[in-house]
Amino acid sequence: EVQLLESGGDLVQPGGSLRLSCAASGFTFSSNGMNWVRQAPGKGLEWVSTISTGGGSTYYADSVKGRFTISRDNSKNTLSLQMNSLRAEDTAVYFCAKSIAGATNFDFWGQGTLVTVSS
Amino acid sequence: EIVLTQSPATLSLSPGERATLSCRASQSVRSSLAWYQQKPGQAPRLLIYDASNRATGIPARFSGSGSGTDFTLTISSLEPEDFAVYYCQQRSNWPITFGQGTRLEIK
Repeated sequence: EVQLLESGGDLVQPGGSLRLSCAASGFTFSSNGMNWVRQAPGKGLEWVSTISTGGGSTYYADSVKGRFTISRDNSKNTLSLQMNSLRAEDTAVYFCAKSIAGATNFDFWGQGTLVTVSS
Repeated sequence: EIVLTQSPATLSLSPGERATLSCRASQSVRSSLAWYQQKPGQAPRLLIYDASNRATGIPARFSGSGSGTDFTLTISSLEPEDFAVYYCQQRSNWPITFGQGTRLEIK
C-alpha cells in the first residue's frame, strides 16, 4: 500500500524558514517523480514543485522560485521541501504527491501538513 | 502560464442525475489533462489522466473527454459520495496549473 506521510508544518514568522519532509513507502520511490502541491485555507490547489526520479531535474512555481528548494533522498525514501523567506501568502496545507509513471499527474497524495506564516 | 478555467463554479444536481463539468485551457494542452476529486478535509484523488484514462480503482461512471483546449468530465449517474469539488490539471507546459475548481453539490 502506497503511503506518503508529511511532517514539519508549523507556525513561523514572516521571513522565517521551515523544512517539510515526506516519508514514502509501499512503492519503488526512486522510480517516480515527486511533487509538492499546496492549498491555502478555503482555496484551490496550487502546484509548488516537482523533482525527477534521480533528483537531477527540479521545477518550481514562480511564486516560490528562489525561496523554496525541493530535494530527495532515494536511500531513505524521503522527499523534502526547504522553505526560506516565508511570506503570509505561503500559508497553506502542503501535500506531498507521487507522480504516475512518466507523467506529472498525481496518483497518490499524503494527508498534508499545515504551514502558517504569521507574526 | 496556461490558465485553466472550469465551469460552472457550482453545479447543483440530485443523486442519479448526470453531471457534466467543463475545463477550458488558454492554449492547447494536447491530451495532457487530468481530473481530481477532493472532499472536505481530504487530499485530492486522481480520477482521470491524459484526458480520458481512468485511474486505478475509479468507477466506470466517471469518464473524461476532449483534447486541445476543451475538456469534459462526465459522471453518468451521481452517487451520494460524488458530491465534492473537482479540479482539472494540465501537465503539457511548465508550470503545472490547476483550474479553480467546480463544486458539485446536492440539490
